[in-house]
This record gives sequence, structure tokens and C-alpha cells, in this order.
Amino acid sequence: QVQLQESGPRLVKPSQTLSLNCSVSGGSITSGDSYWSWIRQPPGKGLQWIGYINYNQYNPSLSGMTYYNPSLKSRLTISADTSRNQFSLYLSSVTAADTAVYYCARYDSGLFDSWGQGALVAVSS
Amino acid sequence: EIVLTQSPDFQSVTPKEKVTITCRASQSVGSTLHWYRQKPNQSPELLIKFASQSVSGVPSKFSGSGSGTDFTLTISSLEVEDAATYYCHQSSGLPQTFGQGTKVEIK
Repeated sequence: QVQLQESGPRLVKPSQTLSLNCSVSGGSITSGDSYWSWIRQPPGKGLQWIGYINYNQYNPSLSGMTYYNPSLKSRLTISADTSRNQFSLYLSSVTAADTAVYYCARYDSGLFDSWGQGALVAVSS
Repeated sequence: EIVLTQSPDFQSVTPKEKVTITCRASQSVGSTLHWYRQKPNQSPELLIKFASQSVSGVPSKFSGSGSGTDFTLTISSLEVEDAATYYCHQSSGLPQTFGQGTKVEIK
């Protein structure tokens, strides 16, 4: 079973860029047709899908395509390093409203079937 | 954007009691509606997929029903370990969206 683990700075200053990595073990991010995802949860609130990047073993021409939540799209980049079997989140111009637990997850066959443990990132000066 | 509205927001339940949570979609999502449980300070875990399909390793006390815009998650006999927040999620259209959550407390 695939396992995911978030890493990165847990404190970011306002207006700076939040960056997180997700390391995947137990399977390759380029196998199958999976979407490697980021989801966040502000303290005491619900879940918000941020976006994902797709790798499709069966149609490599589609691999690397990204899909973003329109509410974050202008500040968001999701990328992947297949050689290190990890993917990354970059969210620019952060404010206190971006303080949240950030989860990486695998989206496969229409649902999120594997999740990381989450990383609480605070935006504060 | 497809909005998912869960009810109730909060439920206080005694052990062995039956629990029913509903999720209503702002437009039809067919059967692409899934349920997750999030225990305190843990990641969400998948309970039910595609409205009513069981998930390997999930106890049979969890069941789901519905299609289109109205869905239900049922816990047949609540246990103490089921104290959690439950979320529905639709994968019919982008952006992916979740319900606001239903917190289930043990009396």
C-alpha cells in the first residue's frame, strides 16, 4: 500500500511562498493512472481540495498535467520530481487565511484512497 | 462548483445507537459520492465509495445509499471509536468538493 509523507517549513511569513513536499513510498507516482493531490484543512474547519498532478502510465502524453482549484489557481503551482518519487506544492503570497493542515493524498479511480499524516503550516510574522 | 451540504452539523449519540448522516448536492453527481471519517488529529480515511460500495477493511456497520443529489451514510451501531467528523466528497466535477462535515460525539 502506498504511503505519503509531507515535509517542509511549518512557519511562513505573510506575502511569502508556502512550499511543501510529499514523498511517496510503496509505489511509483508514474505507475497506473493516479492524481497526486493536495488538500488543506484550516484549524477547526473542513476540507478544501487544492489541486493535483496526473501521471498516466497508459498515456504518457497526459502525464504531468495539473488541475487546480480556481479559488487558488493564481497563486498555485504543483509539480513533481519523478526521479525522487515526490511531488510538491507552492502557494505564493500567503496570508493568515492560508494557515491550515496540508495533506497530500493519492486520488485514484475517483476517490482519495491514501493520505499523508498532514503538516500544519502557520502563516505569521 | 458543486456544493455539498451535510446534515446535521453535530450529533451526540449513545453507544449502540444507529446514526444517519445526509449529504445533499447542489446538482446531480450520479453515484460519484464518497464518505470519509476523520478521527481527532488524524487524516481522513475512506469509508464508502461511489455512494454505496463497501471499502476493503472497513467494518460492515458502515453503509451508504443514494444517487443524484441525496445521499445517506448509516452507522448501524455506534461504538466509542466512531467519535469523529464525517465528510462526504464528490468527484463528479472540478473542483473536487467536500461537505462541511458532521461531528459525531459519544454521549
